[in-house]
Amino acid sequence: KAGVTQTPRYLIKTRGQQVTLSCSPISGHRSVSWYQQTPGQGLQFLFEYFSETQRNKGNFPGRFSGRQFSNSRSEMNVSTLELGDSALYLCASSGTDFSYEQYFGPGTRLTVT
Amino acid sequence: GDSVTQMEGPVTLSEEAFLTINCTYTATGYPSLFWYVQYPGEGLQLLLKATKADDKGSNKGFEATYRKETTSFHLEKGSVQVSDSAVYFCALSGAQAGTALIFGKGTTLSVSS
Repeated sequence: KAGVTQTPRYLIKTRGQQVTLSCSPISGHRSVSWYQQTPGQGLQFLFEYFSETQRNKGNFPGRFSGRQFSNSRSEMNVSTLELGDSALYLCASSGTDFSYEQYFGPGTRLTVT
Repeated sequence: GDSVTQMEGPVTLSEEAFLTINCTYTATGYPSLFWYVQYPGEGLQLLLKATKADDKGSNKGFEATYRKETTSFHLEKGSVQVSDSAVYFCALSGAQAGTALIFGKGTTLSVSS
């Protein structure tokens, strides 16, 4: 079974721009979560989508948003990029309604200049 | 809120040495506990998990026991290999944060031959 895939793997953007990241979960998984990883703050939860609905949300500003499609693929959008948004963005999927076991993709490395 | 504390690294060991990485948690209710591993340039891989008190998770020679009385989930391995060099993250889910994974800061393990 294929794992979680994320595109693109690397991205360079300029401050003030917006960016969209994509995640395809493991086949059959309906939950997709997003995390931000930085050297200073570590791994922080952004949000989770289940059956196209946001089910859980972390403490990030409204510039960070997401959505999930009917095939469970998910996108994450960051508007008005700031230098501090430079990070590795990780997507994870899980297989049952309230499974806490999550499987991660390789991540998208975003650099904001 | 929920939190995870793990020992600061880096941890440097010789091949075949015994490994312990300490992890303690603070959570309301009965969280599930996890160890994830991250190799350079990759996403996180689930190493092992435990979902209730006294459960022992194990995988690839690594073990950790869910100790509710000491709120701990220490990672151990009897004989480390060079290929075990990576960053190890302790995490919890299922308590106050719901489906979100709450991570510790990570411990870097370096094994030399």
